Amino acid sequence: DTEVTQTPKHLVMGMTNKKSLKCEQHMGHRAMYWYKQKAKKPPELMFVYSYEKLSINESVPSRFSPECPNSSLLNLHLHALQPEDSALYLCASSQVSGRGETQYFGPGTRLLVL
Amino acid sequence: GNSVTQMEGPVTLSEEAFLTINCTYTATGYPSLFWYVQYPGEGLQLLLKATKADDKGSNKGFEATYRKETTSFHLEKGSVQVSDSAVYFCALSDRTGANNLFFGTGTRLTVIP
Repeated sequence: DTEVTQTPKHLVMGMTNKKSLKCEQHMGHRAMYWYKQKAKKPPELMFVYSYEKLSINESVPSRFSPECPNSSLLNLHLHALQPEDSALYLCASSQVSGRGETQYFGPGTRLLVL
Repeated sequence: GNSVTQMEGPVTLSEEAFLTINCTYTATGYPSLFWYVQYPGEGLQLLLKATKADDKGSNKGFEATYRKETTSFHLEKGSVQVSDSAVYFCALSDRTGANNLFFGTGTRLTVIP
């Protein structure tokens, strides 16, 4: 089973709201990732967690706050977003970070910021 | 540095036509190579992969061979179906860093009946 699940599937929020995106995998993977994808573009890496510790933050604004409560869960907390943050947010996981491992993606959360 | 150059789209083919989507890469060391597919409104699905030179990845009738001498990983399918309509991303992951995936720009394929 190579399934990564994400909730919610769709999210509409105002610029003053606080919301969270959730990602879950049960493959025993120890690396998890958040990506942002704008229309007609490839995904852009935001964060990497390795063994539940943040290992990469690609200069993402502080209005995006990741959290890895355990090895199966990854959250992305959203606060005071801007309309340009509207995008598809993808979660991925791999066995470990590095060594050219395969990343498996979830279906994504489509976010609209009004 | 690492980068992937992918054939510009969009590509429109008739059903049962032969498909080639070109992908070339630049990498330090010996990367793993991937093709991901994204159907409308969905996330990315791993289509196939190859981890060393001369490896051939295959899945659902799609194939790609890791060519070190030409630094290429072209995607091919002998007979496309309407259900293959999607965006295809070529990607590489090096073995030295934090497993960043470097994506090509994506190629949109439309197959018409």
